Amino acid sequence: QVKLLQSGAALVKPGDSVKMSCKASGYTFTDYIIHWVKQSHGKSLEWIGYINPYSGGTNYNEKFKSKATLTVDKSSSTAYMEFSRLTSEDSAIYYCARYPFDYWGQGVMVTVSS
Amino acid sequence: DIQMTQAPSSLPASLGDRVTITCRASQDIGNYLRWFQQKPGKSPRRMIYGATNLAAGVPSRFSGSRSGSDYSLTISSLESEDMADYYCLQSKESPLTFGAGTKLELK
Repeated sequence: QVKLLQSGAALVKPGDSVKMSCKASGYTFTDYIIHWVKQSHGKSLEWIGYINPYSGGTNYNEKFKSKATLTVDKSSSTAYMEFSRLTSEDSAIYYCARYPFDYWGQGVMVTVSS
Repeated sequence: DIQMTQAPSSLPASLGDRVTITCRASQDIGNYLRWFQQKPGKSPRRMIYGATNLAAGVPSRFSGSRSGSDYSLTISSLESEDMADYYCLQSKESPLTFGAGTKLELK
């Protein structure tokens, strides 16, 4: 069965970076685009961007273009998102999802605190 | 960016009620509209895609419709397991944008 398994929660200091993973199983990884979505506490969802695992091509929301970097490792069927120069505004749950948004990871809670 | 105006933000309802949640798109998005259900501590679950198509495994009491730039999610007879947050998402144009969400709760 299709699964997207994300890495564990992260506690990071302001100004640091965090890299989270999304490991796919149960399907051909390169056949489906991976999207990333942010959900701040008690708030709605924000689309960060997507990566095409086959080509490595990316498309970012302008709001996150200088903040997020999406990559993949085809050999391990894993997508990664690195978030840099973290502030308290980046404290949130981050989800990966397979297009057409039929399968989602369980989410990664990132807490930015000194 | 395309704005998705979702209403209401909160919807108290009773079991067995027929409820409707609406998203209005600020620009034409055709049928590039999905609805998601999210329960506390869980990931979003796709309920409707292509504005009107029921996703696999979703109960038939859920339905999606479109009238111009207004998109609706209707639950024909509310059950306790339907209490959750609901979000719409347009994927016609980048950046993809979500509605602000509707909290469906028991009256």
